[in-house]
Amino acid sequence: VQLMESGGGFVQPGKSLRLSCAGSGFAFSNYAMTWVRLAPGKGLEWVSAIRAGGDNTYYADSVKGRFTVSRDNSKNILYLQMNNVRVDDTAVYYCAKDWFGDYGDFYDSWGQGTLVTVSS
Amino acid sequence: EIVMTQSPATLSVSPGERATLSCRASQSVSTNLAWYQRRPGQAPRLLIYDASTRASGIPARFSGSGSGTEFTLTISSLQSEDIAVYYCQPYNNWPPLPFGPGTTVDFK
Repeated sequence: VQLMESGGGFVQPGKSLRLSCAGSGFAFSNYAMTWVRLAPGKGLEWVSAIRAGGDNTYYADSVKGRFTVSRDNSKNILYLQMNNVRVDDTAVYYCAKDWFGDYGDFYDSWGQGTLVTVSS
Repeated sequence: EIVMTQSPATLSVSPGERATLSCRASQSVSTNLAWYQRRPGQAPRLLIYDASTRASGIPARFSGSGSGTEFTLTISSLQSEDIAVYYCQPYNNWPPLPFGPGTTVDFK
């Protein structure tokens, strides 16, 4: 199993950024996926999750209305569209794979993360 | 809403000594609890699931116990590669449940 995030970088407050996570080595379309972030000096925070089929999505209150999670199961890619970003969105963003499939399980595989820095 | 707490916030242990970390849930999560390790500069790694089952490749010095609202992660003999932040998280729920705030383990 491999998960590889991309798309991070430096962005100004109020702007947009799209993160991607490419999955390989497993049946991507069968697994729920989650974005988890680690902000400087803070702990792990799940940000957004999407069920295997893509029809059900979930968001932490801190990003609701600003972030959108989606997936392209034909390309084995998970996305996180980040709009109207704020300074406190600065973090390393990880994608993580559900262990068993689509049950809201623990995460058995994680990407290496992509750093998003929001600053003016 | 389930709230997770972890104690202590920082645990300083001598090399080769035992480290005991606690995790508490504000309501019962049965044994649906995982522990993750995050070494400096690395991605989180699954250590324990179902409260007490070691994930693949995890050394036997790591053990988990507990059920309901009280959980413990024990490192029987602390090694240099165990210096990390440890997080607990309940699961088996949509939306995902929150991680605990973490316990930093370092050498005394």
